[in-house]
Amino acid sequence: GAVVSQHPSRVICKSGTSVKIECRSLDFQATTMFWYRQFPKQSLMLMATSNEGSKATYEQGVEKDKFLINHASLTLSTLTVTSAHPEDSSFYICSAIPGNSNQPQHFGDGTRLSIL
Amino acid sequence: SQQGEEDPQALSIQEGENATMNCSYKTSINNLQWYRQNSGRGLVHLILIRSNEREKHSGRLRVTLDTSKKSSSLLITASRAADTASYFCATATTGANSKLTFGKGITLSVRP
Repeated sequence: GAVVSQHPSRVICKSGTSVKIECRSLDFQATTMFWYRQFPKQSLMLMATSNEGSKATYEQGVEKDKFLINHASLTLSTLTVTSAHPEDSSFYICSAIPGNSNQPQHFGDGTRLSIL
Repeated sequence: SQQGEEDPQALSIQEGENATMNCSYKTSINNLQWYRQNSGRGLVHLILIRSNEREKHSGRLRVTLDTSKKSSSLLITASRAADTASYFCATATTGANSKLTFGKGITLSVRP
C-alpha cells in the first residue's frame, strides 16, 4: 500500500516552456504532499509543502511564481515550472503522507526535467 | 539547509560483508529516518527511529541513535549486490509526518 505515482518520469523541452508534473497518491488520501529538487549526486532539497485546499508553503529561496503548486484534491498535487530555463533542469521528486497519520513520507519515482 | 551529514560519502564492499554508514545532525529532532535511492528513482523508506529510542532493527538493517552526540548509524548486515544504492538520513523536528531535512547521502557499492 501507500503508492505514490509521479508523472511524467522524464520530460525534455525547449527553454521558455512551462512544464507540469503530477503527483498522485494511488491508494490513500494525502492532505500533505512535499516537492523536492535533487541535483546530480546531491541531496534532496525541499522546495515546498503542499496542503490540500490551501496555499503551498515554500522554502526560503524558492520562487513561488516560478514553481506553481496546486493541491486541489486529496490525491493529486501538481508542480508547474513556469517559463523553464536550462538552470531549472533537475530531478524533481514528490512525496505524500497518508492523511491524519503519523506515517513517514512515501515518495514518487521522480521526474527528470531537461530544458534545452 | 542540510541537517544530516553522512559519512563516508562513498563505500565499496564485497557481497556478504557488513556496511556501516553514519549520519550526524545539528539540531534537536523528533525522529531520524533512513532512506534508500536507486539510481534515477525515488526514495524508499527503510526505517525510522524516534528520539527516545536508541536502537532499532528491521531485517538485515540495524539503526542506532545517539542524541547526545547527535548521530545515527545504519548497519546493513550480509550485504547483497542489490543493496547497491544511495542511502540518505533525514531528520524531522516534529512527528514522523513532518517535513524532512536530508543529508548529502552515501553511495554504497556492493561487489558481487
